Amino acid sequence: SSDLTQDPAVSVALGQTVRITCQGDSLRSYYASWYQQKPGQAPLLVIYGQNSRPSGIPDRFSGSTSGDTASLTITGTQAEDEGDYSCSSRDSSDYHLRVFGGGTKLTVL
Amino acid sequence: QVQLQQWGSGLLKPSETLSLTCAVSGGSFSGSSWSWIRQPPGKGLEWIGKIDHSETTHYSPSLKGRVTMSLDTSKKQFSLKLNSVTAADTAVYFCARETDGYNSEIVSWGQGTLVTVSS
Repeated sequence: SSDLTQDPAVSVALGQTVRITCQGDSLRSYYASWYQQKPGQAPLLVIYGQNSRPSGIPDRFSGSTSGDTASLTITGTQAEDEGDYSCSSRDSSDYHLRVFGGGTKLTVL
Repeated sequence: QVQLQQWGSGLLKPSETLSLTCAVSGGSFSGSSWSWIRQPPGKGLEWIGKIDHSETTHYSPSLKGRVTMSLDTSKKQFSLKLNSVTAADTAVYFCARETDGYNSEIVSWGQGTLVTVSS
C-alpha cells in the first residue's frame, strides 16, 4: 500500500491563510479528499475531487494538487477552523483500497 | 442525506471478537460502498475495509485474515467483525459511506464507537 505523509502540526494567525500538505505516490493518480475533525467528533469531508466542497463548507476552504502533493488551503482562517485535518485517497497499488495521511493538527493563534 | 448510526461491544478481552453494526437511514443502500475506519487514541485514521451493495469486500492488507464485513440489505445495516483482538486494536471505530467514483471520498460517517481491549 502507499502512504500519505502530512506535517504533524501547523499554526496560523487568525484571519491569515494556511496551507496543509499531503504527499504520496497515490496522488499522482487520484485526487485527495480532505477531512476536518474536532475533538470527540467524527471527521467531516471538506474538500474532494479537483477542488470541490460539499454543501455547507465555507468557500475559504480550497484544494489543489501538484505532482505527488495535495494541498488544502484555508483563506482567512477562523477560530472554528482549529482541529485535525486528514487527507485520503485510493491506494495506488490497489484501486479498491484506501489510504489516509497521519493528520495535521491546525492551531489558530 | 444519509445518516449512519452504529453500535456494538465497547470493552473486550484479548483474543475476543469485536462486533459492530451500522444502520443506514435517509438514502439508498446501493450505489455506494460501506466502510469501517478506526482511530487509535491520539493517532490518525486507519481504513479497515469496505463492502459494496453486491457484498463484494475489500480489506486492508494489515488486517486481512482477521476481518469480516457483511451486509443486511433488508435491514439497511452492515457489520464488522474483527477476531483475535489485542490491545493494539483499541480505537474509536467509525462506519462510513464511500462514493464509488474514480476519486472516491467518504461522504458520511457514523458517530464512532470506542472499543477498548484490556485484560
